[in-house]
Amino acid sequence: DVKVTQSSRYLVKRTGEKVFLECVQDMDHENMFWYRQDPGLGLRLIYFSYDVKMKEKGDIPEGYSVSREKKERFSLILESASTNQTSMYLCASSSDRAYNEQFFGPGTRLTVL
Amino acid sequence: RKEVEQDPGPFNVPEGATVAFNCTYSNSASQSFFWYRQDCRKEPKLLMSVYSSGNEDGRFTAQLNRASQYISLLIRDSKLSDSATYLCVVNPSAMGGGNKLTFGTGTQLKVEL
Repeated sequence: DVKVTQSSRYLVKRTGEKVFLECVQDMDHENMFWYRQDPGLGLRLIYFSYDVKMKEKGDIPEGYSVSREKKERFSLILESASTNQTSMYLCASSSDRAYNEQFFGPGTRLTVL
Repeated sequence: RKEVEQDPGPFNVPEGATVAFNCTYSNSASQSFFWYRQDCRKEPKLLMSVYSSGNEDGRFTAQLNRASQYISLLIRDSKLSDSATYLCVVNPSAMGGGNKLTFGTGTQLKVEL
């Protein structure tokens, strides 16, 4: 059964803290993605990765960085958390075949105080 | 102009009704199209792919009109369990390219007794 897991369902951090969000997939997928989802704005792509150690900026990369040291793991890093980064963060993965489905993790609700 | 546009709703319909959602996309070079479903406080999941020839899966029918750049989803005989947000999703690139997807903001459906 397809599975994408995220390290936390809920997270509360203070402004200025460094935040790590972890995502692991067990499907041997090449591609992994980090989105944030906000009311009225939908899902917006932050960063994605085609392969190990490879990363590409999405639509809203500012204030974020990522790391992919192993194929199954994709980490999102908030270098210095700010209140406008309070959001739902969703990780997804997909394989390199036609009409690929993206499989999502359950999400991490991050609140920055 | 947004890359993918949807009416946010909500669409409130009685059980058993037929309901249709439309979605427009701006990139005429887009190659593949999907409808995802997102339940409240859950992650998005693929509902169905959308093909030029149309695609039917039980009570759900998806259609693509490339000339007008819109995608539709028809739900017949609505069930209470169909209540969710339906996301229109477009892959703007050719095959490969990491399968980066562009998500609409979603249309909310509420099916009532």
